[in-house]
Amino acid sequence: NAGVTQTPKFRVLKTGQSMTLLCAQDMNHEYMYWYRQDPGMGLRLIHYSVGEGTTAKGEVPDGYNVSRLKKQNFLLGLESAAPSQTSVYFCASSRGTGWGEQYFGPGTRLTVT
Amino acid sequence: AQTVTQSQPEMSVQEAETVTLSCTYDTSENNYYLFWYKQPPSRQMILVIRQEAYKQQNATENRFSVNFQKAAKSFSLKISDSQLGDTAMYFCAFSPEGSGNTGKLIFGQGTTLQVKP
Repeated sequence: NAGVTQTPKFRVLKTGQSMTLLCAQDMNHEYMYWYRQDPGMGLRLIHYSVGEGTTAKGEVPDGYNVSRLKKQNFLLGLESAAPSQTSVYFCASSRGTGWGEQYFGPGTRLTVT
Repeated sequence: AQTVTQSQPEMSVQEAETVTLSCTYDTSENNYYLFWYKQPPSRQMILVIRQEAYKQQNATENRFSVNFQKAAKSFSLKISDSQLGDTAMYFCAFSPEGSGNTGKLIFGQGTTLQVKP
């Protein structure tokens, strides 16, 4: 099992460009999450999904969109990148209850110049 | 709002000694879950230990244990017999239970722990 994978691992964008981050999990988990990690602020939830075809906003959703067309994939889109979106992005998945461990991907380091 | 606070940005400990990382949280929920995650230099997030709020007994996983004080809303992590491989950033996280629970985590700011040989 690969667990949770993220594509790409690194990316540099210019302000105004768009991109999509792909998260894939092979554990048949219902719930998936996108977080961003910034120095001194821990991880903050951007969007999440509680099942195929569903998405919801987290703590810091502005400037991002998501889609969950297939259960195993969760896409995070930046339509018009801004320097404030420079961060490390983590995807996670879980079986679905509060007790359920979240399994994290390796992260994507995104720099917006 | 539910928040998690880690007041120690950096700590260090000598190999084989014991260290305690602090975490406090704020919530009006009665049932919830608490976690400690480790993030080594590889950046991979790894679950260290977890605690259910309705369980009074403190969780233990090998060299890792917690001191859960529900009334004080405190959840500290104790690492015994520290090893060089314990060098990492440690995050405390909270997940509420109840209707509409989505399993989402609220993280603290993190504590960077360095284990010195």
